[in-house]
Amino acid sequence: AQSVAQPEDQVNVAEGNPLTVKCTYSVSGNPYLFWYVQYPNRGLQFLLKYITGDNLVKGSYGFEAEFNKSQTSFHLKKPSALVSDSALYFCAVRDTGRRALTFGSGTRLQVQP
Amino acid sequence: DTAVSQTPKYLVTQMGNDKSIKCEQNLGHDTMYWYKQDSKKFLKIMFSYNNKELIINETVPNRFSPKSPDKAHLNLHINSLELGDSAVYFCASSQAKTGGTDTQYFGPGTRLTVL
Repeated sequence: AQSVAQPEDQVNVAEGNPLTVKCTYSVSGNPYLFWYVQYPNRGLQFLLKYITGDNLVKGSYGFEAEFNKSQTSFHLKKPSALVSDSALYFCAVRDTGRRALTFGSGTRLQVQP
Repeated sequence: DTAVSQTPKYLVTQMGNDKSIKCEQNLGHDTMYWYKQDSKKFLKIMFSYNNKELIINETVPNRFSPKSPDKAHLNLHINSLELGDSAVYFCASSQAKTGGTDTQYFGPGTRLTVL
């Protein structure tokens, strides 16, 4: 079985400061990891994914994520937060051979001006 | 151009009614999905079709029936609606790749409210 944990319901950060949204996962095979963002009353937008290779993955809107196999983590980061980054962020995992994504519970990011 | 579209955006209906939600993708993908997002924002897979063939059918009441007339469309029909069916339903699509490395692209969601 595959699972994802996002330990923080909410992350607060001041504009201009670096941000981190945490994600840990559990899979039986090789993990394929994804981050999505959901703005209010909108669908999910794809940010980035890790499949293989370089542990640091760069994505849309200046976001990046670091894959750490030993810690089974895939934390989302951004060097300098914007107020417009405020949204709900979902981490998701897909195990090799599974078609569906398993999502974490989501983390609400609040960036204060 | 909208890549994955859903209609309607909002659906308010009475308990016991039957309703349908439609999804269309213009990305040329061969796999489509239905996810349910509950009031606590948990997202869970319901169904998936690949080239009109059902490949995922999670533990969902049989009041829910997906139908895929072609690979660009995946509709969701719900019979005898219950209060607990109130949720946001998201359609998604992807181009299936061996091993599952494909990215899923989501529609804007349909907010279903059952009164």
